[in-house]
Amino acid sequence: SQQGEEDPQALSIQEGENATMNCSYKTSINNLQWYRQNSGRGLVHLILIRSNEREKHSGRLRVTLDTSKKSSSLLITASRAADTASYFCATTNNAGNMLTFGGGTRLMVKP
Amino acid sequence: DTAVSQTPKYLVTQMGNDKSIKCEQNLGHDTMYWYKQDSKKFLKIMFSYNNKELIINETVPNRFSPKSPDKAHLNLHINSLELGDSAVYFCASSLTSISISEQFFGPGTRLTVL
Repeated sequence: SQQGEEDPQALSIQEGENATMNCSYKTSINNLQWYRQNSGRGLVHLILIRSNEREKHSGRLRVTLDTSKKSSSLLITASRAADTASYFCATTNNAGNMLTFGGGTRLMVKP
Repeated sequence: DTAVSQTPKYLVTQMGNDKSIKCEQNLGHDTMYWYKQDSKKFLKIMFSYNNKELIINETVPNRFSPKSPDKAHLNLHINSLELGDSAVYFCASSLTSISISEQFFGPGTRLTVL
């Protein structure tokens, strides 16, 4: 089974609105990362949050991590049509040598 | 310049055939990976190589044989292709194999087995 599971599986919003995606995982982690995948393309790294961090920002992205609940959220503020993509969380195991991906959230931002 | 490149981008073949996918990275990274993404978009690691040595093999059938001639290349050879092998295969690389901070992905190879 997947280490990370994303919620919701699909999300449709209007341009300008905020998009929130959640990720839950099962085992302890070294870090958690978020990736974006545009249709027909490879994944692109967005942001990394370490297990001892609670929140991180990068531009319009805000990531939170709650290790007690084994969950993370990705917030995209002021969304744009170009943000339309699938978003995946990925966790690194304690050894730090393997990345396990969740099932992804398909985000559609309507202009 | 493309950081991680894969060839071919599309591969359509008959069941039972043998095929190879090539991957190259020009980032100077030590570690390379192969992932399989199925039709439901689940992405699962298959192999990981660090400086030409296999470090992760996630219960992949023996029909799949990765080969790393040098640390910039990781090729994937598949024997006796089956219908269930149809998927998108992604190559990726990272600076090191420990405390992975970021992986760089290739554009993917869409394999269709008929």
